[in-house]
Amino acid sequence: DAGVIQSPRHEVTEMGQEVTLRCKPISGHNSLFWYRQTMMRGLELLIYFNNNVPIDDSGMPEDRFSAKMPNASFSTLKIQPSEPRDSAVYFCASSLQVNTEAFFGQGTRLTVV
Amino acid sequence: KQEVTQIPAALSVPEGENLVLNCSFTDSAIYNLQWFRQDPGKGLTSLLLIQSSQREQTSGRLNASLDKSSGRSTLYIAASQPGDSATYLCAATSGAGSYQLTFGKGTKLSVIP
Repeated sequence: DAGVIQSPRHEVTEMGQEVTLRCKPISGHNSLFWYRQTMMRGLELLIYFNNNVPIDDSGMPEDRFSAKMPNASFSTLKIQPSEPRDSAVYFCASSLQVNTEAFFGQGTRLTVV
Repeated sequence: KQEVTQIPAALSVPEGENLVLNCSFTDSAIYNLQWFRQDPGKGLTSLLLIQSSQREQTSGRLNASLDKSSGRSTLYIAASQPGDSATYLCAATSGAGSYQLTFGKGTKLSVIP
């Protein structure tokens, strides 16, 4: 398996624009996570899906953030409208089952100017 | 709420030295603890996962230990090499449902040739 695949790797956008980040988890994994990494706060969980169902979205910072998982092989994280403080690296991770080893994608570095 | 701390934030050692990286957590009711490696601009690579019922796990030159009673885990790296230079993060899985990975801020390791 190619591992967790995220796209794009880098995204530069202007404030107010919509941004969509994409993730393909490892085939057969039923748990999917979105994390955000910043220098100040480190890695923070944004949302957790189990079997395509959002279980915990308490880490989503504002209503501007939304995430979907329409099927077992695809998830999106959308920010609308984007703001400069959203600039960070966003990681997607998946695991075979909840609380088993987590595998991370390469991340999407988002810069909002 | 689980809190994970890694001290020191940075460590520099000469090549060939054995070293220990530290990780402490506040809530001993963890399900497992995972060590990751992160290279600059890259994603997280899983190194070792220790279940709460285990005391240690080994993979090649790496050995991770877990002491739940004291809230500590260590990552031992034998015969360090320049290629080991990276940021090492530990993450504890805890909480209701045991899916939440709480990360430390990491220790940036530099192995000097």
